Amino acid sequence: SQQGEEDPQALSIQEGENATMNCSYKTSINNLQWYRQNSGRGLVHLILIRSNEREKHSGRLRVTLDTSKKSSSLLITASRAADTASYFCGIGKYNNNDMRFGAGTRLTVKP
Amino acid sequence: EAQVTQNPRYLITVTGKKLTVTCSQNMNHEYMSWYRQDPGLGLRQIYYSMNVEVTDKGDVPEGYKVSRKEKRNFPLILESPSPNQTSLYFCASSLWGTSYEQYFGPGTRLTVT
Repeated sequence: SQQGEEDPQALSIQEGENATMNCSYKTSINNLQWYRQNSGRGLVHLILIRSNEREKHSGRLRVTLDTSKKSSSLLITASRAADTASYFCGIGKYNNNDMRFGAGTRLTVKP
Repeated sequence: EAQVTQNPRYLITVTGKKLTVTCSQNMNHEYMSWYRQDPGLGLRQIYYSMNVEVTDKGDVPEGYKVSRKEKRNFPLILESPSPNQTSLYFCASSLWGTSYEQYFGPGTRLTVT
């Protein structure tokens, strides 16, 4: 499969702790995108990282990409209850405009 | 406000009764796409379109049709729905293909009995 696979499937932490989610894939990529989904609602884009980039930041979010290991990680620092959601990685490939997602990581942040 | 809209938001129908889910975006995006989301399977792409009159199959196109006659609209057609098409459907758009962030609609929850 060429889709992203998120790990872990579920993660439960206390408010203030950091949360790390991982995404692995099997093909060469053009970019990798992280999205958040609150229960049953549309996905919201968080960060896009291109294949020639190794790290990107946005507020409390930090994304890394290791193309040699075909993996990416999303770190949420100082988590809040409002960060409770499912997180998905989407794989964008070269010369192809289909996008593949995994099953997501369900993050629960306890107040 | 920049947005992707879908209608209807909820739909219950019977097997074999043709239905259309509409999708519209107001951002002048070239790329539009349909996904379905099922528990444990994440999002799977059904069809996508790079431009007017240009559509391509995604991961799970069987049982679906799409058309792109106008840039802003990308309807999803189920000509003969079956219970295995019960799912949560999302439309999305982006400036140009998957090299740019996608904007998702609010979703359409379809139940086929």
